[in-house]
Amino acid sequence: GDSVTQTEGQVALSEEDFLTIHCNYSASGYPALFWYVQYPGEGPQFLFRASRDKEKGSSRGFEATYNKETTSFHLQKASVQESDSAVYYCALGNTGANTGKLTFGHGTILRVHP
Amino acid sequence: GPKVLQIPSHQIIDMGQMVTLNCDPVSNHLYFYWYKQILGQQMEFLVNFYNGKVMEKSKLFKDQFSVERPDGSYFTLKIQPTALEDSAVYFCASSLRRGPLYFGEGSRLIVV
Repeated sequence: GDSVTQTEGQVALSEEDFLTIHCNYSASGYPALFWYVQYPGEGPQFLFRASRDKEKGSSRGFEATYNKETTSFHLQKASVQESDSAVYYCALGNTGANTGKLTFGHGTILRVHP
Repeated sequence: GPKVLQIPSHQIIDMGQMVTLNCDPVSNHLYFYWYKQILGQQMEFLVNFYNGKVMEKSKLFKDQFSVERPDGSYFTLKIQPTALEDSAVYFCASSLRRGPLYFGEGSRLIVV
């Protein structure tokens, strides 16, 4: 079945550091790829998605590029802020009419220190 | 942004009892979902619902589970009877067709 692997369980950075969270997927067909962010006490929030090879998704300074060859969708941000501290989830979904059945990774806890 | 509301935020219930989790989706959304997250594990799809019907359900959606949205009111997940392994956080989500999912804050269920 489909699966998503996030390499880092936790990441600790200082403000203005560069962020990379690795996401690799395994799926049949051509899935859409997503990043969601979850702040403490809240539900997951959609960050952005990409639906085809080499497409870049971006939002709030975060970005990721769909790479079909390496089956990856790594999240990056050039300069993190303390307010970026949250749990980040990579997910994949089908590209049919219903894109709501998502397969999530385990999540990566990001802690940014001032 | 658009909000999905979930009631209750947490509930403790005796094994074998019935529980209903309520979800007030974004007002113009047409697709509704439940996801389950056991502590320390990833969120997993349970079921999706459109036009009054279950469209797809996962193997986690046991026979004891049911969903409905009577007359456009709350979208509900009912578990009857509950089991210890049903302890988890249940997230409701809603979307437009092909749109991103908007999640609620979750309902933490503890079955004792």
